[in-house]
Amino acid sequence: AQKITQTQPGMFVQEKEAVTLDCTYDTSDQSYGLFWYKQPSSGEMIFLIYQGSYDEQNATEGRYSLNFQKARKSANLVISASQLGDSAMYFCAMRRNTGGFKTIFGAGTRLFVKA
Amino acid sequence: DTGVSQDPRHKITKRGQNVTFRCDPISEHNRLYWYRQTLGQGPEFLTYFQNEAQLEKSRLLSDRFSAERPKGSFSTLEIQRTEQGDSAMYLCASSLLGQGNGYTFGSGTRLTVV
Repeated sequence: AQKITQTQPGMFVQEKEAVTLDCTYDTSDQSYGLFWYKQPSSGEMIFLIYQGSYDEQNATEGRYSLNFQKARKSANLVISASQLGDSAMYFCAMRRNTGGFKTIFGAGTRLFVKA
Repeated sequence: DTGVSQDPRHKITKRGQNVTFRCDPISEHNRLYWYRQTLGQGPEFLTYFQNEAQLEKSRLLSDRFSAERPKGSFSTLEIQRTEQGDSAMYLCASSLLGQGNGYTFGSGTRLTVV
């Protein structure tokens, strides 16, 4: 069975600093995708970044990067130069690429950016 | 493109009543998903469609839940004989085929069963 674990219920970061949100996953599949989503207090989930299990390079999207360590089964999200608008819930998610395409989500980490 | 639309935004119903939610996905997206989210938790998968075919349904979902996507366009999620435990945010999302395509979510329908 697949599982996503986010061990940090809440994180604080100073504005303009970098922050790492942890995510570990469990799967027996060889081909899968890892995702991060942001959910502001307004409620609408926003797709941030994707990493394929066969991708050798870490994914980057603007200020977001995904630190993918396949052997450790970790997919941490790094946000550089934090902004006040980054305050939100962040969810790590995984989707298998064969035999069904549902995405499973972790419990989330709430990020607070301090001015 | 106006994104994924969900209607209604809020629904309060009495226990035992039936409710139906609607989702209009992004028109080019052929995959549509329903999730349920309770306070402080991540979204929990309910079901998904590829075009009009319902390809997977969560085993956690009781027979009181049913979803349709006629003609591969909008989708409806119906909950029969609602229970207080059904109170949650119901999220709809859509996506294109392809491994790297993330979901576009709607704003959700918040259901409160009293």
